[in-house]
Amino acid sequence: DVKVTQSSRYLVKRTGEKVFLECVQDMDHENMFWYRQDPGLGLRLIYFSYDVKMKEKGDIPEGYSVSREKKERFSLILESASTNQTSMYLCASSATEASGNSPLHFGNGTRLTVT
Amino acid sequence: AQKITQTQPGMFVQEKEAVTLDCTYDTSDQSYGLFWYKQPSSGEMIFLIYQGSYDEQNATEGRYSLNFQKARKSANLVISASQLGDSAMYFCAMIPWDSNYQLIWGAGTKLIIKP
Repeated sequence: DVKVTQSSRYLVKRTGEKVFLECVQDMDHENMFWYRQDPGLGLRLIYFSYDVKMKEKGDIPEGYSVSREKKERFSLILESASTNQTSMYLCASSATEASGNSPLHFGNGTRLTVT
Repeated sequence: AQKITQTQPGMFVQEKEAVTLDCTYDTSDQSYGLFWYKQPSSGEMIFLIYQGSYDEQNATEGRYSLNFQKARKSANLVISASQLGDSAMYFCAMIPWDSNYQLIWGAGTKLIIKP
């Protein structure tokens, strides 16, 4: 089974702090994604990466950056955390472009609170 | 604009009954894929079922089936013989074929199974 591991289940940070959310997948997947989940809004894509050192902006990249130095690891960085970034963050990976044979596999999520 | 609509924010269903979760989509593309994911309270998004726009038969996976009505642009999830463990959030998502990997997500339906 594919395993996507997010380093923290819960995080509490102060406004202005630099925050790192880490995600590791163990199935040699090409694609990795960072989503933000807020009630009533579904999932919104922040950034995705289809290869090492490659990144593409999603729908809501402002205030975030990412790093993919190794194929298995995709990091989300909040350069200066703000209270409106309080949310659930979900990491996902897929072997190829999403399809029935290559669905997205998700981690358990990181619930970030910025105070 | 491409969009997924889940009109049921919440549903209560008696255990062992069948349940239908609604999903309508809006796209002008001829090729696309539709997914359903389950998110229990633990937070992990679990892939349930997939339907391609050109698939002639409705997708089925165990107790899950997808009632795909292309002309009506609907892709409802049917869960037969519901169980207490089916209580979760359910999300419908679409990937257009030229999506550049970006799924479009609905806001979700919270399903609660009553004993």
